[in-house]
Amino acid sequence: NAGVTQTPKFQVLKTGQSMTLQCAQDMNHNSMYWYRQDPGMGLRLIYYSASEGTTDKGEVPNGYNVSRLNKREFSLRLESAAPSQTSVYFCASSAGGTTSYGYTFGSGTRLTVV
Amino acid sequence: DQQVKQNSPSLSVQEGRISILNCDYTNSMFDYFLWYKKYPAEGPTFLISISSIKDKNEDGRFTVFLNKSAKHLSLHIVPSQPGDSAVYFCAADGGSQGNLIFGKGTKLSVKP
Repeated sequence: NAGVTQTPKFQVLKTGQSMTLQCAQDMNHNSMYWYRQDPGMGLRLIYYSASEGTTDKGEVPNGYNVSRLNKREFSLRLESAAPSQTSVYFCASSAGGTTSYGYTFGSGTRLTVV
Repeated sequence: DQQVKQNSPSLSVQEGRISILNCDYTNSMFDYFLWYKKYPAEGPTFLISISSIKDKNEDGRFTVFLNKSAKHLSLHIVPSQPGDSAVYFCAADGGSQGNLIFGKGTKLSVKP
């Protein structure tokens, strides 16, 4: 029972490089999310996918793109990395709709842009 | 504008005593409120939740209280243990999309 799996766990990029963060869930959840966590800022929503085939912007979408590849997988792409994108990125999933259990989170990807 | 606010960045408590973490919100349409716990280098994990139609929910050492008139909720941990040391996030679930809105977190340190 893996839950939500994120790869890679750590990554260092140079400014201007691109990369894709991968996320997969095995709970048959409909909705998936990407958050970033920065010191003193809490968890901020980047993009979400309410169901397979749909994606929507969250609070801080600039500089990112997403793809809901299928029901299991939701990737986050940085086309041209900037130092301001240094952060810890969390993927999460949920059954969708209002739920008392909220989301299941992955263990995170720590990204440093130099 | 922050819809979910945790005004205390940190809290230090002695082992065995009560820890009280606070959270304020602005939107009276939220359906559920949740608390998540996060250890360093791990993802947040669900701890406890409360429906907006209730004023208390208890699970072992953890109790969440909701005061709708004050738009305030609190998490009580009794007794506190060193293993409770973590960052606690308050979150609100209010939309048909089920998007959670998180506070900035409170770092709890429980001293032996």
